[in-house]
Amino acid sequence: NAGVTQTPKFQVLKTGQSMTLQCAQDMNHNSMYWYRQDPGMGLRLIYYSASEGTTDKGEVPNGYNVSRLNKREFSLRLESAAPSQTSVYFCASSETGAGANVLTFGAGSRLTVL
Amino acid sequence: AQSVTQLGSHVSVSEGALVLLRCNYSSSVPPYLFWYVQYPNQGLQLLLKYTSAATLVKGINGFEAEFKKSETSFHLTKPSAHMSDAAEYFCAVLYSGAGSYQLTFGKGTKLSVIP
Repeated sequence: NAGVTQTPKFQVLKTGQSMTLQCAQDMNHNSMYWYRQDPGMGLRLIYYSASEGTTDKGEVPNGYNVSRLNKREFSLRLESAAPSQTSVYFCASSETGAGANVLTFGAGSRLTVL
Repeated sequence: AQSVTQLGSHVSVSEGALVLLRCNYSSSVPPYLFWYVQYPNQGLQLLLKYTSAATLVKGINGFEAEFKKSETSFHLTKPSAHMSDAAEYFCAVLYSGAGSYQLTFGKGTKLSVIP
């Protein structure tokens, strides 16, 4: 099925370890996003990529890096994981443009940092 | 920056009763507004969106929302709740910045439906 695919679905890390969350979309969307979801906080934007070759910080970028590998793929890296990064991470994609900016979300990646 | 406020982090209704989930936004210009739904252990799905056409917007699963500029509100309603409506609902507003468009989400309202 067409959509946004995230891997892994679950991950447990120790403090200080690094890992990369992978995201791929097959809808030929220009824009891709990484959000984190925490109880009572809604979704907060970590980084986004308006188009291939560009990335920009969102609301909560500290402790993360991203790579827009090509039009399909947008990865999120935690270089040195901290317990505060325990969260559910969602990747999303959309066509570019205000009226068309309906996000399609992946199923999420649940990360626990001990 | 624009913001979105959802009143009530948790709403409970009886099956068959009216569902009303409240959303207020701050914006100096006519916005684009959205409601998304998240079922347990899933990503978010679009319920409906307002893009400055009709002020009453109909979405999937019998939901609708009315844009009221004077009240800066975009409340979500459904006349008769069903057990399958139990989920978390997020209101979102679109704003532009740095040459791109981004969504700002409210903190969510978890809807419980009592049999």
